[in-house]
Amino acid sequence: NAGVTQTPKFRVLKTGQSMTLLCAQDMNHEYMYWYRQDPGMGLRLIHYSVGEGTTAKGEVPDGYNVSRLKKQNFLLGLESAAPSQTSVYFCASSRPLGGLSYNEQFFGPGTRLTVL
Amino acid sequence: GESVGLHLPTLSVQEGDNSIINCAYSNSASDYFIWYKQESGKGPQFIIDIRSNMDKRQGQRVTVLLNKTVKHLSLQIAATQPGDSAVYFCAEMGSSGAGSYQLTFGKGTKLSVIP
Repeated sequence: NAGVTQTPKFRVLKTGQSMTLLCAQDMNHEYMYWYRQDPGMGLRLIHYSVGEGTTAKGEVPDGYNVSRLKKQNFLLGLESAAPSQTSVYFCASSRPLGGLSYNEQFFGPGTRLTVL
Repeated sequence: GESVGLHLPTLSVQEGDNSIINCAYSNSASDYFIWYKQESGKGPQFIIDIRSNMDKRQGQRVTVLLNKTVKHLSLQIAATQPGDSAVYFCAEMGSSGAGSYQLTFGKGTKLSVIP
């Protein structure tokens, strides 16, 4: 049981290049999330998905796109990378939120992205 | 907009002492408040949560207190150990509309344990 995995772990891009970050979870979770974490900051939600084939915008969605074609995978795409997107990106998954108890989000190890 | 914040960015405690990490929140409509621990180079890890209708919840060596009157959340760690050294984030879970819920994280407090 690997939990939440992210690939790649590190990446350096030049301004204007594109890339896709892959997140995979083996816990059969319905919900998946992409966050970014900047130095001295908490995590900010980029996009999230409440099920296969559905996605929604979070707090900071501009410049990113996502897709959830399979329940276990959640892809984050940068079409034209900018230096402001230099950050550490975390994927997470959980059972549905909003029930009678809190269903914790399980986080991946992160992807460190630098845009030059 | 509403946000979750912290009183102190750093905290140093002697090994064996108790630690108290504080958090202020502003969204009184949040359903849950959660604490996460993030060790260097790793993703956040869930510690404990508390529902908005509670004022105290205990876990293993940790206690979370919720004071809704002053919108304050705290995490108490008993007998702090070197392995507790990490950044601690508070987060609140609230509705984002249409039956969806989101977490809003604070900026974090770095806890350093002095051997």
